[in-house]
Amino acid sequence: DQQVKQNSPSLSVQEGRISILNCDYTNSMFDYFLWYKKYPAEGPTFLISISSIKDKNEDGRFTVFLNKSAKHLSLHIVPSQPGDSAVYFCAASSFKAGNNRKLIWGLGTSLAVNP
Amino acid sequence: KAGVTQTPRYLIKTRGQQVTLSCSPISGHRSVSWYQQTPGQGLQFLFEYFSETQRNKGNFPGRFSGRQFSNSRSEMNVSTLELGDSALYLCASSLGQGNNEQFFGPGTRLTVL
Repeated sequence: DQQVKQNSPSLSVQEGRISILNCDYTNSMFDYFLWYKKYPAEGPTFLISISSIKDKNEDGRFTVFLNKSAKHLSLHIVPSQPGDSAVYFCAASSFKAGNNRKLIWGLGTSLAVNP
Repeated sequence: KAGVTQTPRYLIKTRGQQVTLSCSPISGHRSVSWYQQTPGQGLQFLFEYFSETQRNKGNFPGRFSGRQFSNSRSEMNVSTLELGDSALYLCASSLGQGNNEQFFGPGTRLTVL
């Protein structure tokens, strides 16, 4: 049972345009969400996170939006660059779990930014 | 500061064999988590070690085990390998136990023939 779902396995965007990657979750206990980026032959690298007390967090070209009522978050990349081409993973956890908290991962969305 | 290192990077084994993978966390990080990544299942959590103790465990059979040393380096062992164990095994380190911001190594690609 996939608690974190990334329903689009792939996405193709033109350079300079906006990339929107979506993530849905089912566990209402989740209160912390992260996005990671992964290039081939490398481990995932942390990109941006958001706590459930916020509905938006911005870092340069990357913005994450959280809609708690819909149990949905999205990552916006503006403007998209060819170097952004990678697999993007959404992950979630619950601070209420204390030291037993662990990250639950989506299956990833492969983003291709075309020059 | 050096990143997370994993050895070996690639490994080929046959069914029934066992394998040991190694992970050295970022200096000062005391938590090490292990993940299995396969195309259809994404990143599946194996276990987390903190201060040489397993603190958290995923839903994997007992053939998968690990340990952590006093210098925070960790090893993961898989015994009686099966074809389905072929995957990328990722190690991630973080400052504290259950710390959500994890730093990943490049992974060990295991192929079981």
